[in-house]
Amino acid sequence: NAGVMQNPRHLVRRRGQEARLRCSPMKGHSHVYWYRQLPEEGLKFMVYLQKENIIDESGMPKERFSAEFPKEGPSILRIQQVVRGDSAAYFCASSPTAGQGNYGYTFGSGTRLTVV
Amino acid sequence: ELKVEQNPLFLSMQEGKNYTIYCNYSTTSDRLYWYRQDPGKSLESLFVLLSNGAVKQEGRLMASLDTKARLSTLHITAAVHDLSATYFCAVGNSGNKLVFGAGTILRVKS
Repeated sequence: NAGVMQNPRHLVRRRGQEARLRCSPMKGHSHVYWYRQLPEEGLKFMVYLQKENIIDESGMPKERFSAEFPKEGPSILRIQQVVRGDSAAYFCASSPTAGQGNYGYTFGSGTRLTVV
Repeated sequence: ELKVEQNPLFLSMQEGKNYTIYCNYSTTSDRLYWYRQDPGKSLESLFVLLSNGAVKQEGRLMASLDTKARLSTLHITAAVHDLSATYFCAVGNSGNKLVFGAGTILRVKS
């Protein structure tokens, strides 16, 4: 049973380009969460999605960032017109039901975005 | 707004010594999680604490939760080099977010 799969592992983008980060949840998990980790900091919640629905996007920057979790395929976190401040590690987590449950989340390996 | 504070933020220990990392949080919660992160890696779940007075142990690590004091501790016994990593506590609320502390960088020196 594969864990939470994220790709790419590393992504380099020039300022102004678009970044697309992908997350495939664990088998049987229909709830996906995205977190961002800035250098030397803890993880900060960005968005929570279920299939075809955004449930909570209270942690998403208002501009340039969007997320989706289509009926088929992985969840996508999209960052348009990237700036240097977007450089961070982006982690995806999944769960079989809403909330952390008794086991917490399973995190993917993360995508490390570097904006040059 | 839920806030989570960890201390210390950096801990340098000699092998064989004991130490405790503290995690305080600001609003009521009955679920607290400890994670380990190695450089450039993802988060590894260490402990899930779901009730007041919960205590869990795995090897040289022991975690406890006091929901009345809004405090969790991660105690390290007889530290070894392999425990060097960053340790995060995270607190769950009635919603679906985890709120993380800033992390404690642990370095165990031989």
